[in-house]
Amino acid sequence: GEDVEQSLFLSVREGDSSVINCTYTDSSSTYLYWYKQEPGAGLQLLTYIFSNMDMKQDQRLTVLLNKKDKHLSLRIADTQTGDSAIYFCAENPSYQKVTFGTGTKLQVIP
Amino acid sequence: DADVTQTPRNRITKTGKRIMLECSQTKGHDRMYWYRQDPGLGLRLIYYSFDVKDINKGEISDGYSVSRQAQAKFSLSLESAIPNQTALYFCATSDSTGRNIQYFGAGTRLSVL
Repeated sequence: GEDVEQSLFLSVREGDSSVINCTYTDSSSTYLYWYKQEPGAGLQLLTYIFSNMDMKQDQRLTVLLNKKDKHLSLRIADTQTGDSAIYFCAENPSYQKVTFGTGTKLQVIP
Repeated sequence: DADVTQTPRNRITKTGKRIMLECSQTKGHDRMYWYRQDPGLGLRLIYYSFDVKDINKGEISDGYSVSRQAQAKFSLSLESAIPNQTALYFCATSDSTGRNIQYFGAGTRLSVL
């Protein structure tokens, strides 16, 4: 099946780093994504990584991709209260669609 | 104005009623999607459309139907609503490039009593 798995919940203190993990299933996925959902809103693309890359950094965000283990992670440095949201990992097993994970709710404690 | 607009934002209905959720976009994208979100289950694809004459079932299409009235409009219907269709529904669009980045509306919260 096309299950993208994430833990449901993560709690961190403000200023610490957050690491959200994801396991995907389809090794042919060309792109892997992280989306952010704030309360009462739809999902917004946070970042994405092409499958031939191991790492992508964008300001406070670092994405790591381990294709051998089909593992994707998102690290948020210096986590702020505004980072509190649900984070979805996603893969594109075909050009037709994107498969989303269950989402990880990040709680940032002041 | 939002690029992807969903109406209504909230809806309460009764079992057996027919309801329609509407989605319109100003992004000029050909591809449009309907998802439902349930706690602990993430997003699941209901239907998707790659142009006005193209409609495809997703993983959970039973009990739902769609209509692509124009490139910019994609509506989702529940012919006879049931309580387990209570969920948050999202419309999304994407362009036809290989990256397949999805742009979401703000969602419709539906409760079926």
